[in-house]
Amino acid sequence: SYELTQPPSVSVSPGQTARITCSGDALPKQFAHWYQQKPGQAPVLVVYKDSERPSGIPERFSGSSSGTTVTLTISGVQAEDEADYYCQSRDNSDSFHVVFGGGTKLTVL
Amino acid sequence: EVQLVESGGGVVQPGGSLRLSCAASGFTFDDYSMHWVRQAPGKGLEWVSFINWDGGDTYYAESVKGRFTISRDNSKNSLYLQMKSLRTEDTALYYCVKDLAAAGTEGADYWGQGTLVTVSS
Repeated sequence: SYELTQPPSVSVSPGQTARITCSGDALPKQFAHWYQQKPGQAPVLVVYKDSERPSGIPERFSGSSSGTTVTLTISGVQAEDEADYYCQSRDNSDSFHVVFGGGTKLTVL
Repeated sequence: EVQLVESGGGVVQPGGSLRLSCAASGFTFDDYSMHWVRQAPGKGLEWVSFINWDGGDTYYAESVKGRFTISRDNSKNSLYLQMKSLRTEDTALYYCVKDLAAAGTEGADYWGQGTLVTVSS
């Protein structure tokens, strides 16, 4: 079955840049989307279609894609950005399987 | 304001059934695909099922295929998930999720608060 691989954790100091990666074989052909989830809350879409930012999401959140890896970049990290981040995409098959990465815990030191 | 309100969760014995509902408001429901996504306690997100705008296309995760059925009633702005032959590993918070696309998936821009399903004897 298709899998997306994320690092379990990333730590940065306030004001620094955090980069969270997500790898998957189908990513050159399929868009990826990123979600932020804080404890006890539903996920929030922060980037869609690799690099598009929904309205209301701060400009410090951006996404990029290169080959089989997509990256969520948070510039000028703030304490409020501490959360779990999940990438999501789908496989290339006609059977349309949507997949989430295992999640990355972002810690703001 | 977009709202997705799930209901129907509860405690059920292994092998039992439940039907989840999601009442949608604040957007044109039949213009968008919808998903069910679940999250087991302390675990990550797991996609469960997808339905396109008119219900003509449905897809399932391998872990639920043959046991769960997704459906929608556009006249009632409602999404459903019929769950049968429930297993302990189906215990999770189930989210109703709106997609940006009418057909296919382009990202999930709105999530409900979830309804908890507990499968236990």
